[in-house]
Amino acid sequence: GAVVSQHPSWVICKSGTSVKIECRSLDFQATTMFWYRQFPKQSLMLMATSNEGSKATYEQGVEKDKFLINHASLTLSTLTVTSAHPEDSSFYICSAHDPGGRETQYFGPGTRLLVL
Amino acid sequence: QQQVKQSPQSLIVQKGGISIINCAYENTAFDYFPWYQQFPGKGPALLIAIRPDVSEKKEGRFTISFNKSAKQFSLHIMDSQPGDSATYFCAASLGNTGNQFYFGTGTSLTVIP
Repeated sequence: GAVVSQHPSWVICKSGTSVKIECRSLDFQATTMFWYRQFPKQSLMLMATSNEGSKATYEQGVEKDKFLINHASLTLSTLTVTSAHPEDSSFYICSAHDPGGRETQYFGPGTRLLVL
Repeated sequence: QQQVKQSPQSLIVQKGGISIINCAYENTAFDYFPWYQQFPGKGPALLIAIRPDVSEKKEGRFTISFNKSAKQFSLHIMDSQPGDSATYFCAASLGNTGNQFYFGTGTSLTVIP
């Protein structure tokens, strides 16, 4: 089946620094990618929808200047957490839409972010 | 507003038993209903999905039952195994055009030997 990768799988950073998370569709072209945030023992919360070549659409309450999303190619979307703070510590998951695939969205393995 | 409501929050089942998780949705325009399994520290993995034109779909030990009039769907795990212990999420979306998923709140399943 289709594979979506994320890099890094986990990251620890100091408060105030920026962290970039990559989401790649390895064997298909994804016109749409989604970024989710998940707190322990909670559901996935959609942060933004990323369309290749256009600006991301952010969900209500998600700061677009805080969480920068770039979908520069059909196989890569990046999420940059700018000036990270401890409350940004979470599990970030991306998914990618393959129009020709069996599933409507393929999920990545997630990135664990810990801000000290 | 929670578009998809899921219950129970947690479930403990004996090995070999049947695990049942229920979901209800509000938007009658939803037409794709997947179930995902998630292990700690991992991304969700698709288990099984159904569209409203059928009332039941079975894949191995996993069955989705769908009740369009009641706007409810459920996941049945037959012959539950300790390896099935995970968190299960139901979801709903509009079509297969890459629209967003609306996830349920999740069910933590524990299968005891």
